[in-house]
Amino acid sequence: EAGVVQSPRYKIIEKKQPVAFWCNPISGHNTLYWYLQNLGQGPELLIRYENEEAVDDSQLPKDRFSAERLKGVDSTLKIQPAELGDSAVYLCASSIGGHRGGTQYFGPGTRLLVL
Amino acid sequence: SQQGEEDPQALSIQEGENATMNCSYKTSINNLQWYRQNSGRGLVHLILIRSNEREKHSGRLRVTLDTSKKSSSLLITASRAADTASYFCATDAAPGNQFYFGTGTSLTVIP
Repeated sequence: EAGVVQSPRYKIIEKKQPVAFWCNPISGHNTLYWYLQNLGQGPELLIRYENEEAVDDSQLPKDRFSAERLKGVDSTLKIQPAELGDSAVYLCASSIGGHRGGTQYFGPGTRLLVL
Repeated sequence: SQQGEEDPQALSIQEGENATMNCSYKTSINNLQWYRQNSGRGLVHLILIRSNEREKHSGRLRVTLDTSKKSSSLLITASRAADTASYFCATDAAPGNQFYFGTGTSLTVIP
């Protein structure tokens, strides 16, 4: 069984440029998460989807961040425009039936560097 | 924001020794999970303990949960060099199902 796939693995951009991250969850997982992880810190939830519906986006900075999960499968996270403080690892995870049921499966992450 | 805090922040032990790390959290929870993260990798789920459970075992892992103290501990017995990683607790907070990771404990097991 393939795991959670994320691309790109690394991205270097200049500030004020747009950037997009893509995530393909494990087949059959209806819950998808995007997290931000700063160096030496735990992941912080940005947004959680149940199928195509964003059910928790309270931590998503909506002035510059947006996300979509069309058809309830793949998801894209976008930052426009990027700021220096956005440099971090962006993790995608998926699970069956929400986090109450248990295991989240994480992708390897996209490491973003904003110059 | 993160509601969990791990203690200690860093831990270094010899191979074969036991490693204990603690997690404290702030609000009522539905469940608490522990994850491991190797350097530069994504997180891997280790174990989940529900709010009505007090102790759970999985292989060399033992997790305890004390909801009155809002704390949990993860014990890794007979540690191996391959256990070197960061360990995070994560809480499914009640109500509202907000999901929070802690700050992590960096474990180094010296061969």
